[in-house]
Amino acid sequence: DIQMTQSPSSLSASVGDRVTITCRASQGIRDDLSWYQQKPGKGPKRLIYASTSLQSGVPSRFSGSGSGTEFTLTISSLQPEDFATYYCLQHNSYPWTFGQGTKVEVK
Amino acid sequence: EVQLVESGGNLVQSGGSLRLSCAASGFIFRSYSMSWVRQVPGKGLEWLSDIRPGSDFMSYTDSVKGRFTISRDNAKNTLYLQMNSLRAEDTGVYYCARVGLFGGRDGVDNWGQGTLVTVCS
Repeated sequence: DIQMTQSPSSLSASVGDRVTITCRASQGIRDDLSWYQQKPGKGPKRLIYASTSLQSGVPSRFSGSGSGTEFTLTISSLQPEDFATYYCLQHNSYPWTFGQGTKVEVK
Repeated sequence: EVQLVESGGNLVQSGGSLRLSCAASGFIFRSYSMSWVRQVPGKGLEWLSDIRPGSDFMSYTDSVKGRFTISRDNAKNTLYLQMNSLRAEDTGVYYCARVGLFGGRDGVDNWGQGTLVTVCS
């Protein structure tokens, strides 16, 4: 199985900060990676697909980069509605696997 | 608008069975692969299974293989998860999810709101 190591597990940030979250795959997955945002009591929402493509309707302050084994989600200027938990998902090979999640909290 | 509505979650005893359903609308259900994902309360996400549009291929994660069965009824626009031999560690919120048209190149593009399964010993 492909292991996805996501870091950090949590971070504290202020509105306007630049935030970076990383996922590392235990083996190469091309660009078969998506990023999701989840708020309490809700299902996840996709932000990024194919590592770098922005989901329709998602603000442009979200961006993704990487290929192979190293991937990054960046929020260029954190907004109040962005405080949430973020997950990466590799869908290159079965079983698909998620990163452990990163909780973005108010500093 | 894509809508995925799960139902069937309940409190069940260890060793028991439960069937979850997911009613899909707002898209051509028979054209998409579908998945189940679960989340232990307060923990992360775990992909469980998916099924191709024509039910010709299914895949499972090891922790549920042999106990859970995914199926679909394209005439009813409904996805199912039959869960047998339930264990306490199966407790969690179960999400129905749509896989993008390009399958493994796309990943999950839409999610339901989830249904809670609680397994008591």
